[in-house]
Amino acid sequence: KQEVTQIPAALSVPEGENLVLNCSFTDSAIYNLQWFRQDPGKGLTSLLLIQSSQREQTSGRLNASLDKSSGRSTLYIAASQPGDSATYLCAVEEDSNYQLIWGAGTKLIIKP
Amino acid sequence: DTGVSQNPRHKITKRGQNVTFRCDPISEHNRLYWYRQTLGQGPEFLTYFQNEAQLEKSRLLSDRFSAERPKGSFSTLEIQRTEQGDSAMYLCASSFSGTREQYFGPGTRLTVT
Repeated sequence: KQEVTQIPAALSVPEGENLVLNCSFTDSAIYNLQWFRQDPGKGLTSLLLIQSSQREQTSGRLNASLDKSSGRSTLYIAASQPGDSATYLCAVEEDSNYQLIWGAGTKLIIKP
Repeated sequence: DTGVSQNPRHKITKRGQNVTFRCDPISEHNRLYWYRQTLGQGPEFLTYFQNEAQLEKSRLLSDRFSAERPKGSFSTLEIQRTEQGDSAMYLCASSFSGTREQYFGPGTRLTVT
């Protein structure tokens, strides 16, 4: 059974720092992996999607990498800003079905 | 196209009452998904449709829950005889079968008192 884990559960850093969020999954038979952002009490905003054949995706200050064989993905945020404060969730879609399987998220606080 | 929409955004109900939520997917998307998220947790899959066919249901979807997608367009999720444990954010997503990237609506927050 696929399990997705995100470490750390919470992270607080000063503004301007570069940071890395981690996501690991137990079964490498994935179709894709997505990173989402969720603001308190709100829905989910897709940040980046990495297909299983890809190694990384970039959007602005965000870079996501995927190492399928080791079951790991990282989300790199460059030059963090207070507006980046949110919960970041990763989710994998398996080859064999279409549902997303989620981690519990990393709550990120960027201090001004 | 304005993305995935969900109504209502918030619903407060008393235990034992029935509630129904609606999801309108992105118009060209043929797949539609329902997830439930409780505080501090990631979402959990409930069910998904391809066009009007409900193809998969989680064991979380007890017999008090029913979902429909008539004509393969909008979808409704009904919860009968609500319980306090049903309090959660109910999220809807849609995707196109080719890309499989899921796009989420803003969610419906249900509070059962």
